[in-house]
Amino acid sequence: DQQVKQNSPSLSVQEGRISILNCDYTNSMFDYFLWYKKYPAEGPTFLISISSIKDKNEDGRFTVFLNKSAKHLSLHIVPSQPGDSAVYFCAASVTGTASKLTFGTGTRLQVTL
Amino acid sequence: AAGVIQSPRHLIKEKRETATLKCYPIPRHDTVYWYQQGPGQDPQFLISFYEKMQSDKGSIPDRFSAQQFSDYHSELNMSSLELGDSALYFCASSLQTNEQYFGPGTRLTVT
Repeated sequence: DQQVKQNSPSLSVQEGRISILNCDYTNSMFDYFLWYKKYPAEGPTFLISISSIKDKNEDGRFTVFLNKSAKHLSLHIVPSQPGDSAVYFCAASVTGTASKLTFGTGTRLQVTL
Repeated sequence: AAGVIQSPRHLIKEKRETATLKCYPIPRHDTVYWYQQGPGQDPQFLISFYEKMQSDKGSIPDRFSAQQFSDYHSELNMSSLELGDSALYFCASSLQTNEQYFGPGTRLTVT
């Protein structure tokens, strides 16, 4: 039962344009959401997060939007850079002590010149 | 800044052997998590420890056990290895937040 889904396995965007990665979840208990970037043979790198009490969080080129009613979140990267090419995982958790992360299946982003 | 350290980075074992993976969390982090990522899959939660006590348990086989020591490092012990245990094993740590910081992973290959 995949509680966190990323329906686009891959995305190709031109350098300088906006990349939009989407994520849907089914468990209404989730109240904290995170995006991770992962290169091959490396561990996931934390990018940005958002609590369910907010609908937007911004950090530099990265913005995460949360639509609780639709159980949907998205990561916007603008402008996209070639170094952004990686696999992006959406993750969700229920706030508490040592809360585990439930990951989506990942979206491979390729930023082309 | 110091990151999560995992050792070894690569490990090759034969079926039915045992393996021990080690994780050194970011200094002052009090929580450690273990995840398993199979080929082409998303990371799956195995187990977590908070202040050296087991906190949560996921899809961890009975053949696996883990603990967190007094210096906060953690070890994942895997026995009677099976071919299906071949995967990337990630350790992550956190300090009283939802944000987990991951190590580089240990790639375990069982032949």
